[in-house]
Amino acid sequence: KNQVEQSPQSLIILEGKNCTLQCNYTVSPFSNLRWYKQDTGRGPVSLTIMTFSENTKSNGRYTATLDADTKQSSLHITASQLSDSASYICVVTGGVSGGYNKLIFGAGTRLAVHP
Amino acid sequence: EAGVAQSPRYKIIEKRQSVAFWCNPISGHATLYWYQQILGQGPKLLIQFQNNGVVDDSQLPKDRFSAERLKGVDSTLKIQPAKLEDSAVYLCASSLVAGASSYEQYFGPGTRLTVT
Repeated sequence: KNQVEQSPQSLIILEGKNCTLQCNYTVSPFSNLRWYKQDTGRGPVSLTIMTFSENTKSNGRYTATLDADTKQSSLHITASQLSDSASYICVVTGGVSGGYNKLIFGAGTRLAVHP
Repeated sequence: EAGVAQSPRYKIIEKRQSVAFWCNPISGHATLYWYQQILGQGPKLLIQFQNNGVVDDSQLPKDRFSAERLKGVDSTLKIQPAKLEDSAVYLCASSLVAGASSYEQYFGPGTRLTVT
C-alpha cells in the first residue's frame, strides 16, 4: 500500500533553534518527493522537490534530504523564525494509476516556533 | 501571475443541505485537482481533471459529491446532501501538465466547510 508517514506529529521549538522533520514512505514506483509548507488558513506552498538521483536540496533556511534506498526524507530548518510556524507536509509522487502519477500526502508535522 | 482562486472562503451549513464550491485555476493550467483536508490530516485527492475530462475520481464519494469543469477552465465541486463528516477544508490546485510529475501543483487558499 502506498503510504507516507511523518514524524513527529507536532513540535515546539524556540526561535533561533534548528529542527529536523522526518518522512518515511512506501510508494512504488517512486517519481519524486516534495516538501510543502502550509500556513494556517492557506493552501500548501512548495519548498523543495527531489527526484530519485538527488540527495539534498536547499531553499534558504530549509534543507531537504532524500535516501531513496531506505525511503526516508528529512527537512531541516536552520535558525528558526516565528514565521516558520506552520504545518510541513511530505508528498511523494508515484504509484502510477492509469498512466498518471498520484500524489500521496503525509499527515504533516505541525511546527510551532515560540519567542 | 495570479494564483488559484477559490470561493467562498468559509461556509457553514446544516447536515442534509447542499453546498457548492468554485475554483478558478491559474491561466493556462491544463490540470485541476480538488482535495479534501480534514483537520490534522494531509489533503486527500477527490478528483483530478485534465482539461475538461476526469482523470481520477476514485476517492470521490459519488453518491453525494459531484464535480465538473466545463470548458476546461473553472470548476465547481458540489456536495448534496452534506454530512457532518464532510466538515473539512476543500483545496483546489492546478498544474501546467499532468502525468509529467515534475510539474508543480499550485494550491488555492481553500474553502473551510462546517456542517452542523
